[in-house]
Amino acid sequence: TQLLEQSPQFLSIQEGENLTVYCNSSSVFSSLQWYRQEPGEGPVLLVTVVTGGEVKKLKRLTFQFGDARKDSSLHITAAQPGDTGLYLCAGGQGSNYKLTFGKGTLLTVNP
Amino acid sequence: DAGVIQSPRHEVTEMGQEVTLRCKPISGHDYLFWYRQTMMRGLELLIYFNNNVPIDDSGMPEDRFSAKMPNASFSTLKIQPSEPRDSAVYFCASRRAGGLSSYNEQFFGPGTRLTVL
Repeated sequence: TQLLEQSPQFLSIQEGENLTVYCNSSSVFSSLQWYRQEPGEGPVLLVTVVTGGEVKKLKRLTFQFGDARKDSSLHITAAQPGDTGLYLCAGGQGSNYKLTFGKGTLLTVNP
Repeated sequence: DAGVIQSPRHEVTEMGQEVTLRCKPISGHDYLFWYRQTMMRGLELLIYFNNNVPIDDSGMPEDRFSAKMPNASFSTLKIQPSEPRDSAVYFCASRRAGGLSSYNEQFFGPGTRLTVL
């Protein structure tokens, strides 16, 4: 069974602070996706990374895929209350359409 | 597009009752996925369909769970009989085929919160 471990499980910070959350596995994935889920809604895709060492930026969010394609990180600069939500990573395997999800990091940004 | 539509949004039932969850995928999407989300286990894939055909049901917890997709615009997940441990949020998601398979975005519905008393 492929597992994705996310850390920390919970994170509560003040507006304006920076943070990094992690997604780690012992398995290699061909792609890694990050989703954000708000209360009462389904997850929404933020980014997909596919190349080892790849870095993608989405405004204040920076995503990195590990060189060995076993881990990923999400860094948020100057967090805002609107960033509050559950951040999920999901690993994909080549021609397999299934995604393996981590349990998520629940982020709260206090004004 | 209206996105993935799920009904009901909330369901409260008693142990032993039959529960049917419904999903309408985004038009033109070839793949449909059913997930279950709990605090303890996170988001788990139960089953997925391609062109209305079940491809992988290895995540279905037991025979009490069944899923059907009679046409491209409708799917159901049924639990009979329901048990308190089935309480969770159930999500339906859909996506297009084509391209590099694992890269394509899955679009999730708002979920059905099921409580079995």
